[in-house]
Amino acid sequence: DAGVIQSPRHEVTEMGQEVTLRCKPISGHNSLFWYRQTMMRGLELLIYFNNNVPIDDSGMPEDRFSAKMPNASFSTLKIQPSEPRDSAVYFCASTPQLSGNTIYFGEGSWLTVV
Amino acid sequence: KQEVTQIPAALSVPEGENLVLNCSFTDSAIYNLQWFRQDPGKGLTSLLLIQSSQREQTSGRLNASLDKSSGRSTLYIAASQPGDSATYLCAVNTGNQFYFGTGTSLTVIP
Repeated sequence: DAGVIQSPRHEVTEMGQEVTLRCKPISGHNSLFWYRQTMMRGLELLIYFNNNVPIDDSGMPEDRFSAKMPNASFSTLKIQPSEPRDSAVYFCASTPQLSGNTIYFGEGSWLTVV
Repeated sequence: KQEVTQIPAALSVPEGENLVLNCSFTDSAIYNLQWFRQDPGKGLTSLLLIQSSQREQTSGRLNASLDKSSGRSTLYIAASQPGDSATYLCAVNTGNQFYFGTGTSLTVIP
């Protein structure tokens, strides 16, 4: 299996622009997670889906952030409009089911907002 | 809410030393605990997974233990090598979320 696939790997954008990050989970995995990692705050859960349904989005910073999972093999995280404080590494992860399993991470999307 | 703490935040050791990384969590109601390695510019790679019913897991030079009742786990690395230099994170699975520690940054000096 190719693992969790994220795109783009790196993005530099200007403040105010829309950013869309994409994730393809491992085939057969029922749960998908979006995390944000910064030096100051470590790894933070933004939102997670179970069977394509958002379960907990309490970690989404504000209304500028939105996430979708239209089918079992694709998810997006959108930031609109982007701000410099959104600069971070955004990780997507998936697991076969929530309890008792390993969670697998993608390589991350490195976002810089200038 | 589950809180996961890792001490120390950073550790530097000479090559060949054995070392222990610590992870503590506040709520013992967990399904499992997992140790990850993160290299600079990379994602997290799973090292060891300990189910709540287990006491330890071993993989090569790595040994992870779990004491659920006291809310503690340790990752033991034997005969450390420069290639072990990375950040190590632990995560607990509560059945509906994974809670991560902030990690221990390990440097092994040749």
